[in-house]
Amino acid sequence: LAKTTQPISMDSYEGQEVNITCSHNNIATNDYITWYQQFPSQGPRFIIQGYKTKVTNEVASLFIPADRKSSTLSLPRVSLSDTAVYYCLVAADNYGQNFVFGPGTRLSVLP
Amino acid sequence: NAGVTQTPKFQVLKTGQSMTLQCAQDMNHEYMSWYRQDPGMGLRLIHYSVGAGITDQGEVPNGYNVSRSTTEDFPLRLLSAAPSQTSVYFCASSYVPGLAGGPAGELFFGEGSRLTVL
Repeated sequence: LAKTTQPISMDSYEGQEVNITCSHNNIATNDYITWYQQFPSQGPRFIIQGYKTKVTNEVASLFIPADRKSSTLSLPRVSLSDTAVYYCLVAADNYGQNFVFGPGTRLSVLP
Repeated sequence: NAGVTQTPKFQVLKTGQSMTLQCAQDMNHEYMSWYRQDPGMGLRLIHYSVGAGITDQGEVPNGYNVSRSTTEDFPLRLLSAAPSQTSVYFCASSYVPGLAGGPAGELFFGEGSRLTVL
């Protein structure tokens, strides 16, 4: 299993860009990188997924260097409502014990 | 579409009691799973299923039982509740890529069931 390491917590201010980096040194060839967001008292919600280079959607961007040993989730111009826990997962699929949610990064957006 | 629906949202049990947490999805997803989340921690996989009639154990299966008789439903049974099972339980579902494979399917989560065992 590809183990991931990400910061336990981060603080930011409204309007700033936030970058959360995840390390996954032993990522396998078939693994994808997926990020989820979890608000208090809710289930996690899919944000973005990628395999290499850059992926962008309406809420975030995901940057993956060529060696794929790390990835960075970028949230542009955060607001108070972006305060949540962000999970980085690395797996070839989301089935069973291969898809592991670690403690995540607790992002606090301050006014 | 309702997505993934969990019931009940809250439950208090006494040690030794049994109960079933219900999970239903209306997206025709083959894959369903149950996680538990303890305060300040990530989610831990309890049991999962890749289709009707097929179930398998996750990371923390002891004390829990599951069955999958239909595509839509995946109930989680607590056989004899213990205080250590006090937690928030999440059910999730996703499609299963075909033979050609592909990226992991997006997991859709329910709103959670908060269980307290006294």
